[in-house]
Order: sequence, then structure tokens, then C-alpha cells
Amino acid sequence: EAGVTQFPSHSVIEKGQTVTLRCDPISGHDNLYWYRRVMGKEIKFLLHFVKESKQDESGMPNNRFLAERTGGTYSTLKVQPAELEDSGVYFCASSEWLSGRALETQYFGPGTRLLVL
Amino acid sequence: AQTVTQSQPEMSVQEAETVTLSCTYDTSESNYYLFWYKQPPSRQMILVIRQEAYKQQNATENRFSVNFQKAAKSFSLKISDSQLGDTAMYFCASSFRDDKIIFGKGTRLHILP
Repeated sequence: EAGVTQFPSHSVIEKGQTVTLRCDPISGHDNLYWYRRVMGKEIKFLLHFVKESKQDESGMPNNRFLAERTGGTYSTLKVQPAELEDSGVYFCASSEWLSGRALETQYFGPGTRLLVL
Repeated sequence: AQTVTQSQPEMSVQEAETVTLSCTYDTSESNYYLFWYKQPPSRQMILVIRQEAYKQQNATENRFSVNFQKAAKSFSLKISDSQLGDTAMYFCASSFRDDKIIFGKGTRLHILP
């Protein structure tokens, strides 16, 4: 069974440019999460989709970040315009949805390493 | 606020030794889940072990076991007979009522030959 995949693995862009990260969850997983780890800090939650709906986006830093999950399959996270402080590793995770709530075990992708210059 | 704290930024042990990674957390929730995730140098983060807070028995997965002290809000990971492949960043984490995972800063573990 394929795990969570993310694309690209690395991205280097200049301040002010736009970058779009993609996440493909494990097939059948209705829950999809985005997390970010800024250098030297904890991995922080960004948002949570249940199918195509945003369940919780309390961790999104500002309106330069836009996440979508059209059709409830893969998700994209767009940063526009990118700032220096957006550099970090962006992780995606997925989990099953059962009996009205998300199961606790989340499976993580390898992450996208973003560097904004 | 829910927090997870790992006080050991980096550790090194010899192969075949036993090592314990510390983790404490803070929550007012009565039901939650605790995890240890491992991220090897190749970057894919994988779940090592998980513990449900309402279960008193400590979780065990082969060479990995936890010491869960609910009253002390402590959740340490013990790796027995450590192997070179155990070299990785280890994250202690918790999931409370709202499903999102809260992570500690991580402990970088080096297993030395």
C-alpha cells in the first residue's frame, strides 16, 4: 500500500514568489493534515481536512497560505507571496475517519523542504 | 494550553545499549493519545509506538517500550538493544480532543558502532 506522498521534495524560491505544495494521502483516508516545522522549532499544526471540508484551520499563519482539497483526494498548499519566515519543512499526514471521528494514528509524508531566499 | 516537552536535544549511545528518551506533557484533558514518531535521516516520519491515556498498561513494540506515568504526565521511550538503524530524530507527540497532533521539539539520537 502506498504511503503519503508529497511533491516537490525540495523547493527554493525568492521572496515574493508563489509556491504550491502537493500532498497525496493514503487511499481511503478522509482526514488530511498539514504541519510545518520551522528550523529549530516544533512541528506545528496548520490545518485539517475531512474529505474536502476544512475541519480546523486554526494553525494557518496568515492569509498568504491557501489550502485546498478539491474532490477530497489530494491537497495543495499554496503560499503567495512567500516570505523569508515561511522557510521550513511542510509535512502532510492522513488518517482514517471512522464512527464519526478521526482515528488517532496519523501517517506522515516525507515532507517538502521549502527555502525562501 | 497543551504542550509536549522533550528536554534532551541530542543523545548518543553505543550499539546494543539501552537508551531512554524523556518526554513530559501538559493537558487538562482526561482522554488523549501519546505517540513516539521516528524520523530517520531519509526524512520519512514513521510511528514507533502509541499509548492510549486510559490504558494503564505500557505499550510495547518489539525493542521499543514506553514508561507512561499519567499522574506525572511523563511518557518516556526506551529502546533496548539499540541498532544503527535506530539513528534518527525522535518526536514525542500527543493528540488531544481535537485530533491535531502536538509535537515536542525532538531528540536527535545517534547510535554509535
